[in-house]
Amino acid sequence: DSGVTQTPKHLITATGQRVTLRCSPRSGDLSVYWYQQSLDQGLQFLIQYYNGEERAKGNILERFSAQQFPDLHSELNLSSLELGDSALYFCASSANRGASYGYTFGSGTRLTVV
Amino acid sequence: DQQVKQNSPSLSVQEGRISILNCDYTNSMFDYFLWYKKYPAEGPTFLISISSIKDKNEDGRFTVFLNKSAKHLSLHIVPSQPGDSAVYFCAASGPPSGTYKYIFGTGTRLKVLA
Repeated sequence: DSGVTQTPKHLITATGQRVTLRCSPRSGDLSVYWYQQSLDQGLQFLIQYYNGEERAKGNILERFSAQQFPDLHSELNLSSLELGDSALYFCASSANRGASYGYTFGSGTRLTVV
Repeated sequence: DQQVKQNSPSLSVQEGRISILNCDYTNSMFDYFLWYKKYPAEGPTFLISISSIKDKNEDGRFTVFLNKSAKHLSLHIVPSQPGDSAVYFCAASGPPSGTYKYIFGTGTRLKVLA
């Protein structure tokens, strides 16, 4: 157990629908990062939150949004889903002690859009 | 634009031999580099890091080499063990400071043959 909890582990939904992925960071970590891994692709950075505020944005579609709540858990909202949104979505957290420490990843949410 | 590239999708090595995984990057502003290991159905786990002010970092069987002039880093695993079979991602981070946003490569699947 990495200490980063992602729910649900699996999600199957239809095109056009909206889903919410949830992430609880490791205790004490203020930063949360969201990544998307499509088939045979690397991890694509979506967005970072630090202590409730958006800190950095990557290749996140306008149909996607995220937030970090006062208890530091984060949610990634995906709307108007398309088949191409099927992917593994990873959440990671860090204490922002320094770049060399990297992140701690959760085990991911596998989203299948049918 | 893929700023971090792992050009070998897969690699097979005999147990006990050296595994060498390669990674190239294009952004000279990157100042930290990490390697992650990922097993199926799990999130990536941090393996080893290196700062751009160093050219080598060692941790047990794992050594990372950085060649800044060539914008190239490599991960050496000696000796390779069957439990090392996994997908290995390299990742790079750079300014602005405080975000610790990492750009990941597409991964190399290592298979260590017993």
